[in-house]
Amino acid sequence: EDQVTQSPEALRLQEGESSSLNCSYTVSGLRGLFWYRQDPGKGPEFLFTLYSAGEEKEKERLKATLTKKESFLHITAPKPEDSATYLCAVQPNYGQNFVFGPGTRLSVLP
Amino acid sequence: DSGVTQTPKHLITATGQRVTLRCSPRSGDLSVYWYQQSLDQGLQFLIQYYNGEERAKGNILERFSAQQFPDLHSELNLSSLELGDSALYFCASSAITASGDAQYFGPGTRLTVL
Repeated sequence: EDQVTQSPEALRLQEGESSSLNCSYTVSGLRGLFWYRQDPGKGPEFLFTLYSAGEEKEKERLKATLTKKESFLHITAPKPEDSATYLCAVQPNYGQNFVFGPGTRLSVLP
Repeated sequence: DSGVTQTPKHLITATGQRVTLRCSPRSGDLSVYWYQQSLDQGLQFLIQYYNGEERAKGNILERFSAQQFPDLHSELNLSSLELGDSALYFCASSAITASGDAQYFGPGTRLTVL
């Protein structure tokens, strides 16, 4: 069964304190790994798609990396507005459903 | 604003009733996905349609059904509602962007079953 786990469950950082979130997956295939940001009561907001081990993508203070079994979302010098739940999802094969992890709840304190 | 619209925003109903949730994908997107998000279950994939045809099915209950119409909007029908069906229901549409595949989520419909 395809499975995605995320750690830690929750993370509190001081403003400017860099850290990483982890997404581990056990899937039948990997067409793509996706990162989203979700604010309370809102729909997830697309951040990145990664396709193959070694791939990296960046957007402002966020950088996503991918290995064969996990992905990391690195947050550099975070600001309070980066506080949100970060979700990771995997699409095992084209046309199959997306399998989501439970998310990491990030709080950045001023 | 993702460009995906969902109506209604909130829905309060009673057990045993039937409701219909509506979704319009972003202009040009052919795929529509439905998800359920409850506090204890996270984001659960329900069903995907592509250009009117069912493409993939997740953990969708038999009491739930969906369809995608020729104008590409989609409806999710929930019947014989139970207290446990209370959740946020999201619709998403997908596209291929310069940086790869992306799924764009709507604002959701919050369903409360009393």
